[in-house]
Amino acid sequence: AQRVTQPEKLLSVFKGAPVELKCNYSYSGSPELFWYVQYSRQRLQLLLRHISRESIKGFTADLNKGETSFHLKKPFAQEEDSAMYYCALINTNAGKSTFGDGTTLTVKP
Amino acid sequence: DAGVTQSPTHLIKTRGQQVTLRCSPKSGHDTVSWYQQALGQGPQFIFQYYEEEERQRGNFPDRFSGHQFPNYSSELNVNALLLGDSALYLCASSSPVTYGYTFGSGTRLTVV
Repeated sequence: AQRVTQPEKLLSVFKGAPVELKCNYSYSGSPELFWYVQYSRQRLQLLLRHISRESIKGFTADLNKGETSFHLKKPFAQEEDSAMYYCALINTNAGKSTFGDGTTLTVKP
Repeated sequence: DAGVTQSPTHLIKTRGQQVTLRCSPKSGHDTVSWYQQALGQGPQFIFQYYEEEERQRGNFPDRFSGHQFPNYSSELNVNALLLGDSALYLCASSSPVTYGYTFGSGTRLTVV
């Protein structure tokens, strides 16, 4: 069975501070992990995918297979980063996906 | 490109009734996945359709069924509605060459 855990429901930081949103997963095969973001009154949108090893809007995420984690990080948070963030494990070949329950990030001025 | 479009936006149904939700995928996408999102929770996978077949299914009862049409659009049907079926229903589309899904805005279903 595949499972995604986001241990923090709420996370609050000040502008300019580093931020880390935690994601842990349980999966027996090679995971395909993603971060999705939902800004206020907008639809869910893809932020990052582990396979690309990219940096989007200053965010990065590294897959740690040993710790089964895929934490999302940004060195200097901005107020516009305030949003709901979801970690997702998507088995593209099988067609099944599992989302965490999300972390609400608030960046205070 | 309108992206993924879902209809209707909101719906109120009575317990025991049946409901049909609709989804048009993003242009170029041929795979549609459906999710149920209850308040305070992440999207829960219902099923995925590809080539007009149900490819994979989550832990949802048979009251939840779907269909995909030749133009890749999809429907989600829920029979014998329960109060607990009240949620936001999300549709996401993808293709074999894309990583990650494109989501619609969802249909808010309220069962009274």
